Amino acid sequence: DTGVSQNPRHKITKRGQNVTFRCDPISEHNRLYWYRQTLGQGPEFLTYFQNEAQLEKSRLLSDRFSAERPKGSFSTLEIQRTEQGDSAMYLCASSPGRTGGPMNTEAFFGQGTRLTVV
Amino acid sequence: GQQVMQIPQYQHVQEGEDFTTYCNSSTTLSNIQWYKQRPGGHPVFLIQLVKSGEVKKQKRLTFQFGEAKKNSSLHITATQTTDVGTYFCAGRGYQKVTFGTGTKLQVIP
Repeated sequence: DTGVSQNPRHKITKRGQNVTFRCDPISEHNRLYWYRQTLGQGPEFLTYFQNEAQLEKSRLLSDRFSAERPKGSFSTLEIQRTEQGDSAMYLCASSPGRTGGPMNTEAFFGQGTRLTVV
Repeated sequence: GQQVMQIPQYQHVQEGEDFTTYCNSSTTLSNIQWYKQRPGGHPVFLIQLVKSGEVKKQKRLTFQFGEAKKNSSLHITATQTTDVGTYFCAGRGYQKVTFGTGTKLQVIP
């Protein structure tokens, strides 16, 4: 399967614990995006990378959230001291493109990681 | 900040009827994309519109981008049960992408 891969698919954690999600984008894609989606809502932009550089981070993202893409390939999203309000589907997407702003070409989404904080 | 609203929120149609969803942005957009998300699935890209007044067709689907690049629509002719899902627009302003609230389509056979 050469699509966007996310692991784990599901994560249940206790409030206050740290969690880390992984995203493997389509191999030739330079851009990688993280979104959060809650039930009945559209995906909410969190951050995006051009290769290993994190170009934008949503103001909605508290300092408990951090994302990395160390070698410009896979990416990790970490949430520290999880809260019940963090429960959501975390989606990763990738797209080709070297110039222009985010999402200026087709983006391919992964299946997501569903986080439940209890 | 940039806001993108979609109407209607829900739409139930009889199979064979037409369906339209509208997307409205509070700011002028560089481009707009449309995605479809099946129940339990992830968003799948449908199309991207860039030019003012642009119209694109994909079989039974027709997409339009407004002249002012602040609104867009998706029209499906003669819906089928395979059209079931939530349709999202995603508008790109300056260095910012905002997804709409989505329109959930239910098709009654």
